[in-house]
Amino acid sequence: QQQVKQSPQSLIVQKGGISIINCAYENTAFDYFPWYQQFPGKGPALLIAIRPDVSEKKEGRFTISFNKSAKQFSLHIMDSQPGDSATYFCAASRRNTGKLIFGQGTTLQVKP
Amino acid sequence: DGGITQSPKYLFRKEGQNVTLSCEQNLNHDAMYWYRQDPGQGLRLIYYSQIVNDFQKGDIAEGYSVSREKKESFPLTVTSAQKNPTAFYLCASSIVNPANEKLFFGSGTQLSVL
Repeated sequence: QQQVKQSPQSLIVQKGGISIINCAYENTAFDYFPWYQQFPGKGPALLIAIRPDVSEKKEGRFTISFNKSAKQFSLHIMDSQPGDSATYFCAASRRNTGKLIFGQGTTLQVKP
Repeated sequence: DGGITQSPKYLFRKEGQNVTLSCEQNLNHDAMYWYRQDPGQGLRLIYYSQIVNDFQKGDIAEGYSVSREKKESFPLTVTSAQKNPTAFYLCASSIVNPANEKLFFGSGTQLSVL
């Protein structure tokens, strides 16, 4: 049973454009929603995370939008750069369980 | 230089063979995790440990075993019972703190079957 569904599977964006990746979750007990970025041959690294008490969090060019009623959250990458080309994973967990449930991943390619 | 070290980077398993993947961390983190990554399926939790000498099964523990004899080390054994072991294996660690749940990942081990 896939508790976190991520889309699209792949995304191609022109340099300077906006990249948008969406995730939907099922378990209403989830209260922590991070995004991880992974470059080929490397482990993922935390990019940005949000808790359900806010609807948006911004760090530089990266923004998470969170819709608790719809059980959806999304990552927006503004002014996308070729260096942003990577695989992005959303995830969800219940606080302090240490058990992150990951989405299927989105491979982003930013064309120069 | 703090971090998580996984070895080897590439590993090949023969039929019926058990293999062990190494994971060492010098971040002084209490919690450690093993994830399996398959193309198009994201990361799936195999085992995790929040304290020395204790560990719990994740979502796909069948065919795998772990030990946590030291805080710094969390080796994963892929047994012959795991019929489809080819995957990218990722080890991670974190502090046990509800206000900070960031996972730190190693660079992974690619396991293939000969």
